[in-house]
Amino acid sequence: DTGVSQDPRHKITKRGQNVTFRCDPISEHNRLYWYRQTLGQGPEFLTYFQNEAQLEKSRLLSDRFSAERPKGSFSTLEIQRTEQGDSAMYLCASSLYRGLDNQPQHFGDGTRLSIL
Amino acid sequence: QQQVKQSPQSLIVQKGGISIINCAYENTAFDYFPWYQQFPGKGPALLIAIRPDVSEKKEGRFTISFNKSAKQFSLHIMDSQPGDSATYFCAATKAAGNKLTFGGGTRVLVKP
Repeated sequence: DTGVSQDPRHKITKRGQNVTFRCDPISEHNRLYWYRQTLGQGPEFLTYFQNEAQLEKSRLLSDRFSAERPKGSFSTLEIQRTEQGDSAMYLCASSLYRGLDNQPQHFGDGTRLSIL
Repeated sequence: QQQVKQSPQSLIVQKGGISIINCAYENTAFDYFPWYQQFPGKGPALLIAIRPDVSEKKEGRFTISFNKSAKQFSLHIMDSQPGDSATYFCAATKAAGNKLTFGGGTRVLVKP
């Protein structure tokens, strides 16, 4: 169990640029989640996948945000035309969904995005 | 809409003391309540979790108490240690595999 891996750990970019983050879940986990955490706050749900299917998106996820999990393994989160308000920690989590017998979510260490 | 309210925002406890963090939820459909511990620069790490069919769960120095009628649950950290200094988040979800709704967090400082 190598844990959830996120890359990069830090990203600094200018306002208006596009950024992409990657998440590699725990290998046998079929569910993958993205959360956003601002300083001093709890994580807020953005979206999640079961295998390659995106099952739910939060209203927080504006049309500038897009997430993919093309082969049901790693996932990418892209933010287009970044804004100051996008500065946050972006957390990825994964879990094993087996119907009634669900397992808890395990988080990566996040990607900290800073918009200049 | 803040569906999970957490208090206090911060607390200071002496080494060996008890840290108590409280959470209240609104959505009666929630049926799984995990607690996460987060250190600076790290992601949240699962500490302990409870389902509403039990009123208390203990794992080592960590205990969750759950009051279904009051829609409240709390984390007790017994014999607090300096290494417990971290931010603690309660969360809730409809079954363990679905999206988590987090409380606002409690920064705990354990003084030696």
